[in-house]
Amino acid sequence: DARVTQTPRDKVTEMGQEVTMRCQPILGHNTVFWYRQTMMQGLELLAYFRNRAPLDDSGMPKDRFSAEMPDATLATLKIQPSEPRDSAVYFCASASPGTREPNEQFFGPGTRLTVL
Amino acid sequence: SQKIEQNSEALNIQEGKTATLTCNYTNYSPAYLQWYRQDPGRGPVFLLLIRENEKEKRKERLKVTFDTTLKQSLFHITASQPADSATYLCALDTGGFKTIFGAGTRLFVKA
Repeated sequence: DARVTQTPRDKVTEMGQEVTMRCQPILGHNTVFWYRQTMMQGLELLAYFRNRAPLDDSGMPKDRFSAEMPDATLATLKIQPSEPRDSAVYFCASASPGTREPNEQFFGPGTRLTVL
Repeated sequence: SQKIEQNSEALNIQEGKTATLTCNYTNYSPAYLQWYRQDPGRGPVFLLLIRENEKEKRKERLKVTFDTTLKQSLFHITASQPADSATYLCALDTGGFKTIFGAGTRLFVKA
């Protein structure tokens, strides 16, 4: 049963600390997305990659956020330093041109981040 | 500026009735429009995709329409069941794989 996995599922940290979230996309999917979801803003696209190359990270605060794909099975999202306003649920999703609907995205369970 | 609007208020309906959710957009010319379902504490799950040259698409009890002139999509669930209670998100493709999501509409189906 192929699915996107994310770790950690929950993270509580103090303001100023570094936070790293990890995502394992579905094997064979070549497009990976990072989203942030809050009650106020809904689901916002932060960045996305195709074949490990960043295509668009315009939704990401550049001064503190960074996203990478060290290899095809791992995507990371880092926040340094973290701030209370970063508290949200962060979702990773993956997609592949080979699926029955080309833009269908498969979402992970999310990482709930709380910055105190 | 580009905007996607979904009914912000929750939709309450009786079991067996048809639920209709609306998605309006401005300043986009999307090639695709998608609908996702999200349950509390979980990630969104893809339901249906409709292309700009398709007027209507069906999947079991689900039906989606896409009117590019009105810039609107309607999402229908027929013979609704309490298990259909969830938040439904519409999403627009803005080029390549870049997707913008609406805020979602919460649906409650009463038994």
